[in-house]
Amino acid sequence: DAKTTQPTSMDCAEGRAANLPCNHSTISGNEYVYWYRQIHSQGPQYIIHGLKNNETNEMASLIITEDRKSSTLILPHATLRDTAVYYCIVKDVSGTYKYIFGTGTRLKVLA
Amino acid sequence: GAGVSQSPSNKVTEKGKDVELRCDPISGHTALYWYRQSLGQGLEFLIYFQGNSAPDKSGLPSDRFSAERTGGSVSTLTIQRTQQEDSAVYLCASSLAYGIIGHGYTFGSGTRLTVV
Repeated sequence: DAKTTQPTSMDCAEGRAANLPCNHSTISGNEYVYWYRQIHSQGPQYIIHGLKNNETNEMASLIITEDRKSSTLILPHATLRDTAVYYCIVKDVSGTYKYIFGTGTRLKVLA
Repeated sequence: GAGVSQSPSNKVTEKGKDVELRCDPISGHTALYWYRQSLGQGLEFLIYFQGNSAPDKSGLPSDRFSAERTGGSVSTLTIQRTQQEDSAVYLCASSLAYGIIGHGYTFGSGTRLTVV
């Protein structure tokens, strides 16, 4: 599975959009991009996934570049409860089932 | 159940003792995973169960660690002769059968194990 690179930490003002980048330059054609987040003292929570089209759900939007080498998770109106570690993972559904969680991006939403 | 349930939520044990950690996955989820997260670290894969297939134990750090899944549902992770480096949060997750596009994991809240 392809490796991902994320910034170690980011701050975002409450009510503003939080844009979390992820580089996955070695992604292959059948690998999906998944995003999870982990709020302190809880297990990771699935947010969204995509292959090549942009995706949106009730939690977030996922923008994937045309060459698929990077993506951005967008939380449109960040709240204090969105403070968490955000993990970007690329995984081939037909390959290993083991998610490889890196160290993620620690997002701090500021009041 | 509505979510993945893990018990106990916290466990303090003396070095050298055995511990058992339990995971009750979401009903109908045939895949079950154990991960470990040490303080300030990312998640480390331990073991994977899928239906009646032989489990993938490749992530277990030593032969002191074992896991079983009875009846395709509840799973128990056993650590024998615990060491201080075993202190971590042990997370269980379940999902529909691996390979179904779009289904992420659902994680439990974990068991925080402290070996003193």
